[in-house]
Amino acid sequence: QQQVKQSPQSLIVQKGGISIINCAYENTAFDYFPWYQQFPGKGPALLIAIRPDVSEKKEGRFTISFNKSAKQFSLHIMDSQPGDSATYFCAASGAPPSYGKLTFGQGTILTVHP
Amino acid sequence: EAGVVQSPRYKIIEKKQPVAFWCNPISGHNTLYWYLQNLGQGPELLIRYENEEAVDDSQLPKDRFSAERLKGVDSTLKIQPAELGDSAVYLCASSNGGTGGRETQYFGPGTRLLVL
Repeated sequence: QQQVKQSPQSLIVQKGGISIINCAYENTAFDYFPWYQQFPGKGPALLIAIRPDVSEKKEGRFTISFNKSAKQFSLHIMDSQPGDSATYFCAASGAPPSYGKLTFGQGTILTVHP
Repeated sequence: EAGVVQSPRYKIIEKKQPVAFWCNPISGHNTLYWYLQNLGQGPELLIRYENEEAVDDSQLPKDRFSAERLKGVDSTLKIQPAELGDSAVYLCASSNGGTGGRETQYFGPGTRLLVL
């Protein structure tokens, strides 16, 4: 059972554009929603994370928007740069049995053209 | 500060052979995770350790996979015998706990396994 669904699978944007990646979850026990960034040959690295008690969190050019009622959250990358080209994964974890267990989406391959 | 260290980085074996992966977590991190990442997919948790205790191994195929974390530091993941479908990247991650399962997990670079 895939508990976190991510879209799109791939995304191409021009430098300076906005990249938007969406995720939807099913398990209402989830209460922690991180986004990870992965470059080829590297492990995933935490980019930004949100708890469901807020609807938005911004860190630099990266913003998470969270809609608890719709069970959806999204990552917005403003002023996208070629260096942002990577695979992005949303994830979720929370109360048992999800405690300490990150459930990842399938990933989005982002390509930013110069 | 050194990150999570994994070795080997690449491994090619023939099916039915055994293979082992090693992980050294970030110093002081008491929680260690092994994930499996298939090509084009997100990581999937295999096992989670709190110190030397495996607290979640529900996704570990125990007929062929085993893991240990002696002394609560380094960890080894073993497959015996390997099957073609085991070809994937095996990721190790660690965290320092204390925030109810919502702490940052730091990933190593992974071991890419190819079973022929």
